[in-house]
Amino acid sequence: KQEVTQIPAALSVPEGENLVLNCSFTDSAIYNLQWFRQDPGKGLTSLLLIQSSQREQTSGRLNASLDKSSGRSTLYIAASQPGDSATYLCAGLYGNNRLAFGKGNQVVVIP
Amino acid sequence: EPEVTQTPSHQVTQMGQEVILRCVPISNHLYFYWYRQILGQKVEFLVSFYNNEISEKSEIFDDQFSVERPDGSNFTLKIRSTKLEDSAMYFCASKARGEGETQYFGPGTRLLVL
Repeated sequence: KQEVTQIPAALSVPEGENLVLNCSFTDSAIYNLQWFRQDPGKGLTSLLLIQSSQREQTSGRLNASLDKSSGRSTLYIAASQPGDSATYLCAGLYGNNRLAFGKGNQVVVIP
Repeated sequence: EPEVTQTPSHQVTQMGQEVILRCVPISNHLYFYWYRQILGQKVEFLVSFYNNEISEKSEIFDDQFSVERPDGSNFTLKIRSTKLEDSAMYFCASKARGEGETQYFGPGTRLLVL
């Protein structure tokens, strides 16, 4: 069974600090790994997708790394802002069809 | 920018009733999905659909669930006889092609079964 774990479950940081969110997965046979943002009661917004052959992807202040051999991915958010407050979900794509999600990192950026 | 849309945004139903959740995927996408998220829990895969048939389904997707693409734009999830434990947020997603493509999610339908 493909288990995805995200640590920490929740964190608060002062504005301007860098955020580091961790994701680990038990089955390394992923096709790719996606990071999503979820605001309370809302849908999922795709942030970054890393192919299994890639080591990292960057978009603006966001950088995501992938280490398949150790079953880990990390999302870095530089210079956090109050608007970054949300839950961040990582999900591994297996069998070209199903995404297996972690429970999320709930982030609060304090102004 | 194209997006996945879902209707209704909220639905309240009585246990045992049938519900149909509707989705309009992004127009040139070929792969369609349903996921659900019970309050406070992980997003869970339900079913994937390609070329007018189910390509994969999870153990959650039992005989009470069905999916359909009745025309060229809509993709529906039907729950025949709802149970209390079906209360959740249901997300539709679509993808263009290939394993390298991002799955794009709709805003969800919040289903409450009383």
